[in-house]
Amino acid sequence: SAVISQKPSRDICQRGTSLTIQCQVDSQVTMMFWYRQQPGQSLTLIATANQGSEATYESGFVIDKFPISRPNLTFSTLTVSNMSPEDSSIYLCSAQDRMNTEAFFGQGTRLTVV
Amino acid sequence: KQEVTQIPAALSVPEGENLVLNCSFTDSAIYNLQWFRQDPGKGLTSLLLIQSSQREQTSGRLNASLDKSSGRSTLYIAASQPGDSATYLCAALTGYSTLTFGKGTMLLVSP
Repeated sequence: SAVISQKPSRDICQRGTSLTIQCQVDSQVTMMFWYRQQPGQSLTLIATANQGSEATYESGFVIDKFPISRPNLTFSTLTVSNMSPEDSSIYLCSAQDRMNTEAFFGQGTRLTVV
Repeated sequence: KQEVTQIPAALSVPEGENLVLNCSFTDSAIYNLQWFRQDPGKGLTSLLLIQSSQREQTSGRLNASLDKSSGRSTLYIAASQPGDSATYLCAALTGYSTLTFGKGTMLLVSP
């Protein structure tokens, strides 16, 4: 199993600013993903972080708002840009060592935008 | 498009009871089904993974079953404890590692 470290664990940010969330996996993994969990809701996939190329975004999510980097097989970042109170959510990083195998999650980043 | 439904949305039981959480999915073409636990404000902890070719998986007091043809999975928790209190999520894995989550069952086990 993969151990995923995510930071920060929580943050309170001013509207209009940006926050970058880091995700570090303790082993090389093929697949990394970013999810959002809005209050009282389940998880929604934001994008697949592709190593060495642009991320693949789901419908309703765009690169300008959620730029993602994945420089290698163990690390990824998600930036939430130009934040508004509607961006207040838990953001979660996930990894799978190969396609269609068990998914592991980080402890999440609880973001509050004021 | 895959849809995952979990019933009940919330469940409150006294300590020691055996309980069953239900998960249904609309598209039976899944690679696997995974059960997670989420504590308030925290990330997800993987509990059990059932491959599409399997019928059930067990870990300690937890047993998960899968009936792919009917689009159903159940998570059975034996002899529940207050420490089991959490939200339980099921997720169906379809093509290209796409996980579709249910909304979860919030479980409260009272001493």
